[in-house]
This record gives sequence, structure tokens and C-alpha cells, in this order.
Amino acid sequence: RKEVEQDPGPFNVPEGATVAFNCTYSNSASQSFFWYRQDCRKEPKLLMSVYSSGNEDGRFTAQLNRASQYISLLIRDSKLSDSATYLCVVTGPGIYNQGGKLIFGQGTELSVKP
Amino acid sequence: SQTIHQWPATLVQPVGSPLSLECTVEGTSNPNLYWYRQAAGRGLQLLFYSVGIGQISSEVPQNLSASRPQDRQFILSSKKLLLSDSGFYLCAWSVRLAISYNEQFFGPGTRLTVL
Repeated sequence: RKEVEQDPGPFNVPEGATVAFNCTYSNSASQSFFWYRQDCRKEPKLLMSVYSSGNEDGRFTAQLNRASQYISLLIRDSKLSDSATYLCVVTGPGIYNQGGKLIFGQGTELSVKP
Repeated sequence: SQTIHQWPATLVQPVGSPLSLECTVEGTSNPNLYWYRQAAGRGLQLLFYSVGIGQISSEVPQNLSASRPQDRQFILSSKKLLLSDSGFYLCAWSVRLAISYNEQFFGPGTRLTVL
């Protein structure tokens, strides 16, 4: 089983659609969770951290279910500029003595069409 | 504010040639530093991380090495490149000893093609 698994994608949606990305992780000891965005041939950029209580940033909502080891990202009213690959990221085991390792999912590509 | 630099942006090297990629961070002290590789169509693979000057941890056996000669400088090297070393090399930093989270921030990357 992969440490972090995401929907394989790609997702092709029209502008204005609501898109949901799903992610599961295998290490129940993981402490921190993030969504990153990576544009084509660019570096990943932090989109948002994911908190146990869930958090929202404008059109983006992230949820965490520790019992199910499941993370989600919801994008509402999608824009053309949302087209990118979305990476689910969790901290690796023993973060405090291993330099804060992050484990990246393979990513899910999103293409928003006019 | 913090800034992370990488160079060169692109590089084409013959098989068997040496490699040196450099990464520097500005605006922060004592960062954790990381080297990742992303092969075409693949996810990010952590290669090395460093929690301080001269302290390097290797994640995967390979013909690459890393060094941290200064607090905010991280260098990725190879004595002899292989075709399989082609990829997108990313340097990242994070705040050391963050208590609750370890967000990492990436440099612009170096796209390496080995021919």
C-alpha cells in the first residue's frame, strides 16, 4: 500500500463546477497534513494546511478524518486558473528527529474548461 | 520574507559527466533543507534532507550526494551522471523544530536532462 494515495485523475470540469479531491494515508502517526498545488513544469506551492476541525480559505475547503486516515479538498466555483495538479501531503514518521519529512501523493490533475 | 534560489534553471549533461546544483535560502536562519527529484509524470521523491551544517541524511541509495557547507546553502552533486538521473530537481526549506507543522517551501527547480 502506498503511503499516500490520491484519486488518479485527471479531472476535466467546466468553469463553475465543484470538484472534490480525495486522499488516504497509511501512517496513523502522521501529524500534519497539507494540500499543495503544482502548475505544469513549476515547483509545488502550498495551497493550505489541513486541520482536524476542517478549514476553509475562500473557495477551498479541506477536511481531515483521522479515524479513516482520509483527507479531502473541495474547490467550489472552479476557475480556469485552478487548472493544476493537486498534491496531498502528510508528514512522515518520526518527524521531530528526522527533519520534518513530508510524504507526497502522486497528485491529481485538474483541468477546468470554459 | 524568505526566498529560496536554485540554479541553473535548466541543464543538459552527457552521461558520465559531473553535476553540481546549488540552492540558497534568504531571510531565515537554521532552516531544514531538502532535495527532491520528480521524474517525468511521477511524484516527488525525497533524496536528501539536512537539519544543520554538515548534517546530511540520505533517503535512497544512488549516485548522488549532498552537502551543506553553510547554514543556508545546500548542494546536490554527482561524480558521474546516469540517464536515470534526468528529472526535475527541487530544493525546499522548512522551519526547524516546528512544533505543530512542517510546511515546506520549494525553490523554482532545475530541470536536468542527461543524454
